[in-house]
Amino acid sequence: KAGVTQTPRYLIKTRGQQVTLSCSPISGHRSVSWYQQTPGQGLQFLFEYFSETQRNKGNFPGRFSGRQFSNSRSEMNVSTLELGDSALYLCASSLGTLAGAYNEQFFGPGTRLTVL
Amino acid sequence: QKEVEQNSGPLSVPEGAIASLNCTYSDRGSQSFFWYRQYSGKSPELIMFIYSNGDKEDGRFTAQLNKASQYVSLLIRDSQPSDSATYLCAVYNSGYALNFGKGTSLLVTP
Repeated sequence: KAGVTQTPRYLIKTRGQQVTLSCSPISGHRSVSWYQQTPGQGLQFLFEYFSETQRNKGNFPGRFSGRQFSNSRSEMNVSTLELGDSALYLCASSLGTLAGAYNEQFFGPGTRLTVL
Repeated sequence: QKEVEQNSGPLSVPEGAIASLNCTYSDRGSQSFFWYRQYSGKSPELIMFIYSNGDKEDGRFTAQLNKASQYVSLLIRDSQPSDSATYLCAVYNSGYALNFGKGTSLLVTP
């Protein structure tokens, strides 16, 4: 079974621009979560989608948004990029149908975003 | 703020020894606990999960959970240089979000 895929793998943008990242979950998985990883803050939760609905959101500004499509693929968008947005953006997929505590999440390879 | 704490390390162990990695969490309502391994430049890889108090073994890995003391640990037996990586502890507090510790760097020396 194919794993989680993310595109693009690397991205360089300048301040003020916007960016869209894409994630395709494992076949049969309906939940997609997004995380930001930086050396200083570690892995931080952005949001989670299940069946096209956002079920949970982390403490990030409104510049960070996402959506999920009917085929479970998900995108996240960051508008008005800041230098501090430079990070590894990871998505993780899970079945999502079990009670929240029992969903094993499997990560994609990540998108490395550099903001200049 | 619900916290997941790990010693950043590095934890250095000789090849063949047992590596013990620890994690504490602040939310008593936490229900499930996960260990991920992350090699430098790679994404996290799920290696163990545990839901009930006690020990859970999978090959060379053993996860231990003590909810009363709010800690979870990972033991790696017969450590190999290929086990050198950062180990991330993650906890489901509520909803569908994993709360991660900042990881412990493990170095296994030949």
